[in-house]
Amino acid sequence: EAGVTQFPSHSVIEKGQTVTLRCDPISGHDNLYWYRRVMGKEIKFLLHFVKESKQDESGMPNNRFLAERTGGTYSTLKVQPAELEDSGVYFCASSQGTGYTGELFFGEGSRLTVL
Amino acid sequence: EDKVVQSPLSLVVHEGDTVTLNCSYEVTNFRSLLWYKQEKKAPTFLFMLTSSGIEKKSGRLSSILDKKELFSILNITATQTGDSAVYLCAVEEYGGTSYGKLTFGQGTILTVHP
Repeated sequence: EAGVTQFPSHSVIEKGQTVTLRCDPISGHDNLYWYRRVMGKEIKFLLHFVKESKQDESGMPNNRFLAERTGGTYSTLKVQPAELEDSGVYFCASSQGTGYTGELFFGEGSRLTVL
Repeated sequence: EDKVVQSPLSLVVHEGDTVTLNCSYEVTNFRSLLWYKQEKKAPTFLFMLTSSGIEKKSGRLSSILDKKELFSILNITATQTGDSAVYLCAVEEYGGTSYGKLTFGQGTILTVHP
């Protein structure tokens, strides 16, 4: 069974440009999460989808970030325009819809570098 | 603001040693405490703890939670080089029917030398 996959693994862009990160969760997982780790800090929650609906987006830093999950399958996270402080590793995670065990399945992350 | 603090931040041991990693937390509506292991890129789940004093065990790893003193420990006995990783502690608060919003600590970097 394929795990959570994220694309791209690394993106280098100039300040002011746009970047779109993609996450494919484990098939059948209704819950999809975005987290990020900026340099030297803890991994922080960004938002949570249940199927195609945003359940909790309290961690989104500002309106330059837009997450979508059309059709309840893969998700995209767009940063527009990117700023220097957006550099970090963006993790996606998924979990099944019922019988929560605490286990989130994380992807390997997309490293974003904004110059 | 909710807080999760791990100690030590890094630890270097030799194979066969036993290590204890610490995690203390301050959250408003505690639901669970989780431990994850991050070897290279993707964190992988180890344990979820919800009740005080009940040890969770998996092979050489074990963990316990103290909800009165607000901390957890992760023990690894007879360490192996494959245990080298970042160990992440995270806390989850009650959020109605929503799960999976975790507050992470900084992580403990464990290095096991042969």
